[in-house]
Order: sequence, then structure tokens, then C-alpha cells
Amino acid sequence: AQKITQTQPGMFVQEKEAVTLDCTYDTSDPSYGLFWYKQPSSGEMIFLIYQGSYDQQNATEGRYSLNFQKARKSANLVISASQLGDSAMYFCAMRELRDDKIIFGKGTRLHILP
Amino acid sequence: SQTIHQWPATLVQPVGSPLSLECTVEGTSNPNLYWYRQAAGRGLQLLFYSVGIGQISSEVPQNLSASRPQDRQFILSSKKLLLSDSGFYLCAWSPLPGRRTYNEQFFGPGTRLTVL
Repeated sequence: AQKITQTQPGMFVQEKEAVTLDCTYDTSDPSYGLFWYKQPSSGEMIFLIYQGSYDQQNATEGRYSLNFQKARKSANLVISASQLGDSAMYFCAMRELRDDKIIFGKGTRLHILP
Repeated sequence: SQTIHQWPATLVQPVGSPLSLECTVEGTSNPNLYWYRQAAGRGLQLLFYSVGIGQISSEVPQNLSASRPQDRQFILSSKKLLLSDSGFYLCAWSPLPGRRTYNEQFFGPGTRLTVL
């Protein structure tokens, strides 16, 4: 069964607009963590933001914020004031503490238009 | 500071040939280690992960294998490559639970494998 679902294979967004990338997850483990990564065309994986399942507040890192809705099992990434350099592949990932493996969604390719 | 190395960076191999990709981590001890494969334009597929020396968990049955002969060394191998083994292979490490930076996973630069 798919544990991480990213329903948007591709998105086109105008520069300076805010972007929301969707991610839903499925787990029965009460202790888990959620990650977002950016992968530019170079292939490197850049860590963006992390949310723990027991964190009370939504995580924020600069222009990135994670809209964590635990009851809905949703962990959407919000990028404020998008820039041309934000064009990349974005992956949502989950770590379940019971076995410590980290699995990824299929990704969303984001295109920022000038 | 911690560093993760992968080599080679690129590799072109014929079908049926063996494979050995190496990943080493510096600057940390007892890391969790992971091998992922990314097909062109696709997501990351977890292949193997290890929580300690000699401890390997396999996620996908295939002709690949992994070994962890030392604490900070993770090797991905195959005895006979298939065309479908082509892809971008990423090694990653993560601190153990309880460590301050447990909420991160760090990736190597990757190996681009083409099987012809």
C-alpha cells in the first residue's frame, strides 16, 4: 500500500506567488516524522523541512512552512513568494520510528514561470 | 562536520556484468544507512537500509544486495546487472533516535548507472 502520496506530478506557478505542494501519508505508528526535500536538475537532495508527529506547531524554515494536519494525515509544503530558483522536483518522505526506514513519495515537479 | 561520499559518480556497464557501489560516511558514528534508486524523472525507491554493522533490511526483492562491513561503510552489489537496474543511486545516512539531529537525513551526491 502506498504510504506517501503526492498527487501533483507537475505544477506551473507564476514567480512571487505562494505554492502549496500536497502530501498525504498512511501509518499506524504513533511516532513518525515527515520530511520535505528539493531535488534540482543536478540530482542532489536538499533537505528543506521536518515535522515530528508530536510537534504541536507547524514547522517553518525561511520561506518554507509545513501545513501539518494530523487527523487528515496531511503534510503539505507551502513555499511563500516563489522564486525562479525554486523550480525543481520536490519529495515528501516519512520515517516511522518502529523500524527507522524512510520512504518517499513519487514527487512533484514544480516549474516557476517568470 | 559530517560528510557522505559515494563512488563512482557515473558508471556505464553491460548487461550481465557485476556491480559494486560504495558509500562511506565521515564525522559520525552508528548512523542508519540507506540505499535508494531513482529511475529517470521518478521518485526515490528505498532498496536497503541498515541500523548497524551486518544488519541489512531489504525492501524490494531483486538482483541487488547490500552489505555493511564497517560502521560507516555501505556497499550495494549485483552479480549480474539487468537493463532495469539503470538509474540514479543515492546513499543516505541518518542519526539514531535520540540524537539531536534525528530529524534529518543526509544524502550523498549519487551514482548515475547506465546498463547497456
